[in-house]
Amino acid sequence: GAGVSQSPSNKVTEKGKDVELRCDPISGHTALYWYRQSLGQGLEFLIYFQGNSAPDKSGLPSDRFSAERTGGSVSTLTIQRTQQEDSAVYLCASRVQGNTEAFFGQGTRLTVV
Amino acid sequence: KQEVTQIPAALSVPEGENLVLNCSFTDSAIYNLQWFRQDPGKGLTSLLLIQSSQREQTSGRLNASLDKSSGRSTLYIAASQPGDSATYLCAVRNFGNEKLTFGTGTRLTIIP
Repeated sequence: GAGVSQSPSNKVTEKGKDVELRCDPISGHTALYWYRQSLGQGLEFLIYFQGNSAPDKSGLPSDRFSAERTGGSVSTLTIQRTQQEDSAVYLCASRVQGNTEAFFGQGTRLTVV
Repeated sequence: KQEVTQIPAALSVPEGENLVLNCSFTDSAIYNLQWFRQDPGKGLTSLLLIQSSQREQTSGRLNASLDKSSGRSTLYIAASQPGDSATYLCAVRNFGNEKLTFGTGTRLTIIP
C-alpha cells in the first residue's frame, strides 16, 4: 500500500492478556517509530527502529512492553499482561533515512477491560 | 530535554479568516520541525516539514515559519474553511536524537 498500515484498527482485551500490534511501514522506509496517545494526552514516544535495530527504546514504559522489527519492514509491538492504563491509541510512523518527513498510520485503539 | 508547547489549546474562528497557530520549543538545536493535523479518531497527516536551515515552507493555503533563535514556529492558514477543523500538532527532531518530540496540539474549529 501507499501509506503506513496498522492492524488491528481496534482491539479490546481482558486485563492480564497479551496483545500484539502490527505496523507495516511504507516500502523503503528504514526508520520506524511507535508512539502512544492516551485519551486527551499528547503523543508519547515509545521506541525507534533503524532497520531491524532499536537504538532508542527509552520510551517503553515497563518491561511488559517490547517491540521487534524483521526484514527491515514489519514491526510488532507486544504488551504482556495488559493493564487498564495501557488503554490508548498506538501509532506507528516511518520515514526514509535523513532529514525527512515522518508518515503516520491510522493507529490501533487498544481498550483493556 | 526538549519541551514543545502549543498555545492556545483550542481556537475557534469564523470561516474565511486567516489564522496563526503557535509552537515553541526550549532547545534550539533542532534538525527539523514538522506540522501535522489529526482528525478525531484518526492518525496524523503530515502538513509541512521545515528544516533547520529554512525560514519557511509553503503548501497551498498553509505557510510554516521557523525562528530557531527564539524557539518558535508558526503555522499560518489562509482563508480558513470548515474542513480545516482538526487538531494541529507540531513535532521537533533534535540533532543527535531520532525521536520526534510533540506539542500537545491546538484544537481548531472553523465556524461556518
